[in-house]
Amino acid sequence: DAGVIQSPRHEVTEMGQEVTLRCKPISGHDYLFWYRQTMMRGLELLIYFNNNVPIDDSGMPEDRFSAKMPNASFSTLKIQPSEPRDSAVYFCASSLGTSGGAGETQYFGPGTRLLVL
Amino acid sequence: QKEVEQNSGPLSVPEGAIASLNCTYSDRGSQSFFWYRQYSGKSPELIMFIYSNGDKEDGRFTAQLNKASQYVSLLIRDSQPSDSATYLCAVRGGSYIPTFGRGTSLIVHP
Repeated sequence: DAGVIQSPRHEVTEMGQEVTLRCKPISGHDYLFWYRQTMMRGLELLIYFNNNVPIDDSGMPEDRFSAKMPNASFSTLKIQPSEPRDSAVYFCASSLGTSGGAGETQYFGPGTRLLVL
Repeated sequence: QKEVEQNSGPLSVPEGAIASLNCTYSDRGSQSFFWYRQYSGKSPELIMFIYSNGDKEDGRFTAQLNKASQYVSLLIRDSQPSDSATYLCAVRGGSYIPTFGRGTSLIVHP
């Protein structure tokens, strides 16, 4: 398996522009997670899906952020409009969803490094 | 608020020494505990998980769990410069979703 795939790997945009981040989870994984990582705040969970259904979006910072998972193999995280404080590394991760350590292990994608000028 | 605390470091150890990384958690109902390693500019990757009190060994790595005291540790024996990274502790409580600590930076110097 190719692992979790994210695109783009790097994104530089100007304040006010729309940004769309994409993720393809590992096939067969029932859970998908979106994280944001900064030096100041560490790794923050934004939202997660179970079987394509959003379960908890309490980590989404504000209405400018939205996430969708139209099918089991694709998810997007959108920021509209973007602001400089959104600059961070955004990770997508997936897990099997079965109980126990192995089933709960999260596999992370390479991340998208976002810079909003 | 479920909290997972780690000393940010950096923890500096000489090559060949034992590195000891610690993590405390607030949720007494926590059931699964994970250690991830993150190299600079890379994504986190799992080292090992543990869910029973005591020690679990995997090669040079040993995870130690003490639920009564609410801490989990990671020992790295015979530390190598290639072990230099940030180590993230993650704890899963009653919900399915683990909470990550901020991570401890480890530097192994030759």
